[in-house]
Amino acid sequence: GAVVSQHPSRVICKSGTSVKIECRSLDFQATTMFWYRQFPKQSLMLMATSNEGSKATYEQGVEKDKFLINHASLTLSTLTVTSAHPEDSSFYICSALVGSGTGGPQDGYTFGSGTRLTVV
Amino acid sequence: AQSVTQPDIHITVSEGASLELRCNYSYGATPYLFWYVQSPGQGLQLLLKYFSGDTLVQGIKGFEAEFKRSQSSFNLRKPSVHWSDAAEYFCAVGARNNDMRFGAGTRLTVKP
Repeated sequence: GAVVSQHPSRVICKSGTSVKIECRSLDFQATTMFWYRQFPKQSLMLMATSNEGSKATYEQGVEKDKFLINHASLTLSTLTVTSAHPEDSSFYICSALVGSGTGGPQDGYTFGSGTRLTVV
Repeated sequence: AQSVTQPDIHITVSEGASLELRCNYSYGATPYLFWYVQSPGQGLQLLLKYFSGDTLVQGIKGFEAEFKRSQSSFNLRKPSVHWSDAAEYFCAVGARNNDMRFGAGTRLTVKP
């Protein structure tokens, strides 16, 4: 089945530094990827939608200059948390749209395993 | 935009008892509905999904869910819960070629 590989699984960084999180689709082409953030004991909140070769669409309240998303190829999307602060500590998860939305068995979304970011 | 409500934040059931987790959605068109399970510190695992066809959907680990359009619901059920089912469960609704919106989640505790 469709697999998305997300790295790193855990990262600790100092306040003020930048961190890059990668999501790769291993056996399919991911035209559309989504980035979510999950605070402890809370649900996943969509941060942005990225389409290959175009600018990401950010949800209201998400700073696009702080959370840089690049989707330069059909198999790789990256999220860079710039000038990270302790309040950015969270669990970040990517997902990719599988298929073309026609309702067939290949449709759906596959998720990466998540990245636990801790900013100290 | 679509939205999801999971009315129960926390549910405790005894091992071997039946389980039903509630999910209500709001969406103007035919929804894509999903149930995911998340263990602590882990990513999401898809339990089952509904796009069309039979409204009773079978998933992995013995779970099933029933889509009821009249009630805008997609409740998750399992006839006999195992201790390993303790986790956080998320219902989600997706639009065609669009993102997914998640419910707040229901934490399941299984008593021995």
